[in-house]
Amino acid sequence: GAVVSQHPSRVICKSGTSVKIECRSLDFQATTMFWYRQFPKQSLMLMATSNEGSKATYEQGVEKDKFLINHASLTLSTLTVTSAHPEDSSFYICSAPGRQGLKREAFFGQGTRLTVV
Amino acid sequence: GQQLNQSPQSMFIQEGEDVSMNCTSSSIFNTWLWYKQDPGEGPVLLIALYKAGELTSNGRLTAQFGITRKDSFLNISASIPSDVGIYFCAGPPINAGGTSYGKLTFGQGTILTVHP
Repeated sequence: GAVVSQHPSRVICKSGTSVKIECRSLDFQATTMFWYRQFPKQSLMLMATSNEGSKATYEQGVEKDKFLINHASLTLSTLTVTSAHPEDSSFYICSAPGRQGLKREAFFGQGTRLTVV
Repeated sequence: GQQLNQSPQSMFIQEGEDVSMNCTSSSIFNTWLWYKQDPGEGPVLLIALYKAGELTSNGRLTAQFGITRKDSFLNISASIPSDVGIYFCAGPPINAGGTSYGKLTFGQGTILTVHP
């Protein structure tokens, strides 16, 4: 399967600061990547679709000014949590699609555990 | 939007036992994916199903794409301690394509605990 790398795996930040999370496709190009959020023992909830060279598409209820997404190249998408608050503490995971055509798979990064203190 | 209902929510089994979990939807899916997530990690793809009725195995894992295209099950045979984790079913929305390619809806997950 395709390899998606996410960095950092863990980050602790103070309230009011911003945190950037990187998602890279290591052995393939991804014009689209996806950002999910997961609370403990819950499922993954899609936050936004990151589109290379254009604006991200946000799911309903997700603040675009809070969660800034930049997809500057075919192998890198970044999620910046701005002015972080303790309620932003969560597990953030990115994914990228696999092969085209009928194979509608997605491959995930290792996830980033964000703790806001 | 399309939703996936996954059951059971959790399972506690003895090592060596077989496990079965399933996912249902009120609408049709064209692809069913089964993922496993270990604590603190991202989901890892276990099995992908693309055709109604398809039965696919991956080692001790077997999954089937329901004929109605509204359900799928995952079986694990002869469970071992490393099978512990959260198992998710997932599928792309029926209209996923273009820039939505790779976008997934997830089931609620099944937390599996295996006692040695």
